[in-house]
Amino acid sequence: QQQVKQSPQSLIVQKGGIPIINCAYENTAFDYFPWYQQFPGKGPALLIAIRPDVSEKKEGRFTISFNKSAKQFSLHIMDSQPGDSATYFCAAYSGNTGKLIFGQGTTLQVKP
Amino acid sequence: SAVISQKPSRDICQRGTSLTIQCQVDSQVTMMFWYRQQPGQSLTLIATANQGSEATYESGFVIDKFPISRPNLTFSTLTVSNMSPEDSSIYLCSVEGNGKSYEQYFGPGTRLTVT
Repeated sequence: QQQVKQSPQSLIVQKGGIPIINCAYENTAFDYFPWYQQFPGKGPALLIAIRPDVSEKKEGRFTISFNKSAKQFSLHIMDSQPGDSATYFCAAYSGNTGKLIFGQGTTLQVKP
Repeated sequence: SAVISQKPSRDICQRGTSLTIQCQVDSQVTMMFWYRQQPGQSLTLIATANQGSEATYESGFVIDKFPISRPNLTFSTLTVSNMSPEDSSIYLCSVEGNGKSYEQYFGPGTRLTVT
């Protein structure tokens, strides 16, 4: 019940495309859902986050869509660029446990 | 967000030895976290370190193997003891942002290889 399932494992898009990464969870106690971006040799960087009382959040080219009833959320990257090539992790936080649970990660490659 | 540094950035160690990883933050934070990221894998929480109290370990991680110190509000260490090749991983520290433990910021990581 503490798992966060992320798909796909890897994704290749052309420059300008809109990659979509999906995550699903079971625990309804999760109350904060961040996305992290990790480049090789670096630590994960907080990209964007959403709370379950909001269905969508946009920050620049990054958008989170949240479906509370389906217990799913997704990251969309508009007008993707080669510099967006990285590994993306979704995560879920529960105030009850005080812990972040991470998805398995998606390696994104944006071709020029 | 806080600026976090880790030392060493990478190391190659022999089986049976121990390595201490340092994590330094440029501002005072209450909660610090240590994660392990095995090659090509996700992040797994090892323990939570609050200043002034014993670290809280997750299932599968024990203090004898991963002792943690938290002497003040800007510094923590994680020791990987009696290492085996299975300990080869990236070890990451993170800190809460703006006093919110759900908003975590990560250091650059320490890449450990055990031979």
